[in-house]
Amino acid sequence: RKEVEQDPGPFNVPEGATVAFNCTYSNSASQSFFWYRQDCRKEPKLLMSVYSSGNEDGRFTAQLNRASQYISLLIRDSKLSDSATYLCVVNEYSSYKLIFGSGTRLLVRP
Amino acid sequence: GAVVSQHPSWVICKSGTSVKIECRSLDFQATTMFWYRQFPKQSLMLMATSNEGSKATYEQGVEKDKFLINHASLTLSTLTVTSAHPEDSSFYICSATTEQGARGSYGYTFGSGTRLTVV
Repeated sequence: RKEVEQDPGPFNVPEGATVAFNCTYSNSASQSFFWYRQDCRKEPKLLMSVYSSGNEDGRFTAQLNRASQYISLLIRDSKLSDSATYLCVVNEYSSYKLIFGSGTRLLVRP
Repeated sequence: GAVVSQHPSWVICKSGTSVKIECRSLDFQATTMFWYRQFPKQSLMLMATSNEGSKATYEQGVEKDKFLINHASLTLSTLTVTSAHPEDSSFYICSATTEQGARGSYGYTFGSGTRLTVV
């Protein structure tokens, strides 16, 4: 079983749509959670951290359910520039390792 | 903000030769460096973790004699792919952090990646 699992997509949505991505992780001792964005042939860039209370950054909302070991990302009012691969990432606190999910590809069409 | 400079950005080499990839932290001291590999349409797979001045810790299935990692200073880590073969063609990315940065969750800085093609 993969440590971090995501639906690979692609999600193909029109501009303005709302889209949600889900992620599950297997290590219950994981401490920190993130969503990263990766554009084609580029390095991943931190989109936002994910907190148990849920957090929002503009059009992006992240949620964490520790009991279910489940993380989500909601993107509202999708823009063409949101087209990218979204990576769910978990931090192993004791080793500082970042464990990446396989990513969910989003395509936003005009 | 923190910057990690990774070079080269791309390299083509002949099968059997060795390639060295460098990552430098420009404005902070990276106590820990992570090396990842990413094949097309796959996610980043952690290859190894290196701490300054000590031997790297390799993930299961990664050949330490093939992927030589050196972290001799707090600002420089290198990955050498020895006797490269076409199956080693991939996107290699480093990520640097400090203990404080890692605990604070924001302190991971990625290099821009190196695309290696072995022919």
